[in-house]
Parts: sequence; C-alpha cells; structure tokens
Amino acid sequence: GAGVSQTPSNKVTEKGKYVELRCDPISGHTALYWYRQSLGQGPEFLIYFQGTGAADDSGLPNDRFFAVRPEGSVSTLKIQRTERGDSAVYLCASSSQGSDTQYFGPGTRLTVL
Amino acid sequence: KQEVTQIPAALSVPEGENLVLNCSFTDSAIYNLQWFRQDPGKGLTSLLLIQSSQREQTSGRLNASLDKSSGRSTLYIAASQPGDSATYLCAVTRSEKLVFGKGTKLTVNP
Repeated sequence: GAGVSQTPSNKVTEKGKYVELRCDPISGHTALYWYRQSLGQGPEFLIYFQGTGAADDSGLPNDRFFAVRPEGSVSTLKIQRTERGDSAVYLCASSSQGSDTQYFGPGTRLTVL
Repeated sequence: KQEVTQIPAALSVPEGENLVLNCSFTDSAIYNLQWFRQDPGKGLTSLLLIQSSQREQTSGRLNASLDKSSGRSTLYIAASQPGDSATYLCAVTRSEKLVFGKGTKLTVNP
C-alpha cells in the first residue's frame, strides 16, 4: 500500500514569506507527527495529532508555526514570516492505533533565502 | 530533558566486517527504543524496536540490545554490505514523541 507522502518535496522561499507543507498519512492511521531535521542533526519533534486534535504541540518553536488536521487525515504545517533559520527538512510520520511504530514520509526540504 | 548521543558520528568499514553502533540516553524512563535507517534525500525506515521490558531484538543481520538501567543501546550489523551504507539513527520515546540522536553515518566500502 501507499506510504506517507509529503508535498512539495522541495520548497524555496524568501525571508518573510508564508509557506504550507502538506502530509498525507497512511490510510487509517490515527496518529500523525511532524518533525524538523536540520543539517547534521537528528529529527526534532514539533507536534503530534491524535485524530483531528493536536495532542502535543510542545515542539513548535514559536507562534509562527501552526499545524492543522481538520478531517483527521491530511495535515498541513504552516509557517508564517519565514526566517533563514527555518531552513530544514520537515518530516511527517504516522502510526496506527495502539502501535509504537512511526512510518515516515520522504520529507519536504525547505530553503529560506 | 532527554538527550540521546550516538557514537561514532561516522564510520567507514570494508565489506564483510561486523560492526557496532552505539547509542546512549540520559533518562532511563523510556517506553521503547528504536533504530532507524536514513538514506540521502529519503525518510526514515524503522529497523528495530525494543520495548523497555526487552533486552534485544533481531532482524536478519541486525541485532539491537538495550540496557535501560545504564542508558545504552547497541546496534550490531553482521557481515556488512555496501547496501548498508546510510545514516543510522537511534530514538527513544517516553510519550508519543521520539527523541533522536544525531546519527552515525556508515559507509561500507566494496
């Protein structure tokens, strides 16, 4: 079956612009996670959804970052007033009810010029 | 705050060699530990998951051990192959979120 997909694969934007990153989880997976991976670092947790609600958003760095999952499936990570320090690979993962295994998408590489 | 450290940061070995990757974590109150593989430009693939009550897990040429009390895990790769070249990441979880190390970049030379 299809895995986790993320669009776009690459996004180049200018400082101060608004961007949206999309994640399509594996069908039927109730949990969805966003992570951010900077160059040479491991992924860092941003936010976790269980169904439509954000169960844990403690990793969002500031109020420029926001994520939604309105129908409990697709999720969008939104970044306002982008800064050069936001440049990273944004990874999405999903997991099924009661499972510890998270399945990761290929990521979106965001570059802020 | 949980911190995960992986040693070495990079490793280069000839094909056929057995090797060990190390992972340590500061807070032993974890639910499980996972080892992932990351290929350039791709997402993460889960290799092995060890529950906190377990000591080790095996899959093919891979064996992962967990010593929760000392905050350590090792990933053993037997008879390494060029196709094993990738970055290997260790991650622990106490709640739903994973806390990752920076990874070990492995190169297996033919």
